[in-house]
Amino acid sequence: NAGVTQTPKFRVLKTGQSMTLLCAQDMNHEYMYWYRQDPGMGLRLIHYSVGEGTTAKGEVPDGYNVSRLKKQNFLLGLESAAPSQTSVYFCASIPYGSGGYNEQFFGPGTRLTVL
Amino acid sequence: DAKTTQPNSMESNEEEPVHLPCNHSTISGTDYIHWYRQLPSQGPEYVIHGLTSNVNNRMASLAIAEDRKSSTLILHRATLRDAAVYYCILRGIQGAQKLVFGQGTRLTINP
Repeated sequence: NAGVTQTPKFRVLKTGQSMTLLCAQDMNHEYMYWYRQDPGMGLRLIHYSVGEGTTAKGEVPDGYNVSRLKKQNFLLGLESAAPSQTSVYFCASIPYGSGGYNEQFFGPGTRLTVL
Repeated sequence: DAKTTQPNSMESNEEEPVHLPCNHSTISGTDYIHWYRQLPSQGPEYVIHGLTSNVNNRMASLAIAEDRKSSTLILHRATLRDAAVYYCILRGIQGAQKLVFGQGTRLTINP
């Protein structure tokens, strides 16, 4: 199993450009999450999904959109990138119905710089 | 989500035990206590979790106070590879199972 993978690993954008980050998991997990991490800070939840076709807002959703068309993929979109979105983005997943005890599996991260 | 409080940083020596404390005085009866760590330039990784009883696994031990208002992550023999930021997180049994990360404890291991 590859676990949770993220594409791309690095990206530099200019202000106003758009891009999509792809998260893929091969563990048949139901729940998936997108976090961002700014320097020296803990992770903050952007959006999450509790199943194919469903998405919900997290703590810092503004400026981002997500889609979960396939169970194994969770896409994070930036429609018009801003320098404030410079961050490291992590994707994570857990099985369905974890009841508070199953671990979240994290991807390796995407380092995004917006100039 | 109930909050946790951890020291910003701790330092220890290689091959010595490390005790990382966490306070969670507003924990509810059904909250699990989770620990994750983040090595430099990597995503977080699961370390251990518990509900009421002390727990051991190959990575660490988790000691939970009897009133559950605090817990301690124990690394029995620290190595240089254990240098990381350690996060103590509470997670309920209902809902979307989100993790709410604080600042964590930055652990430095001296050779």
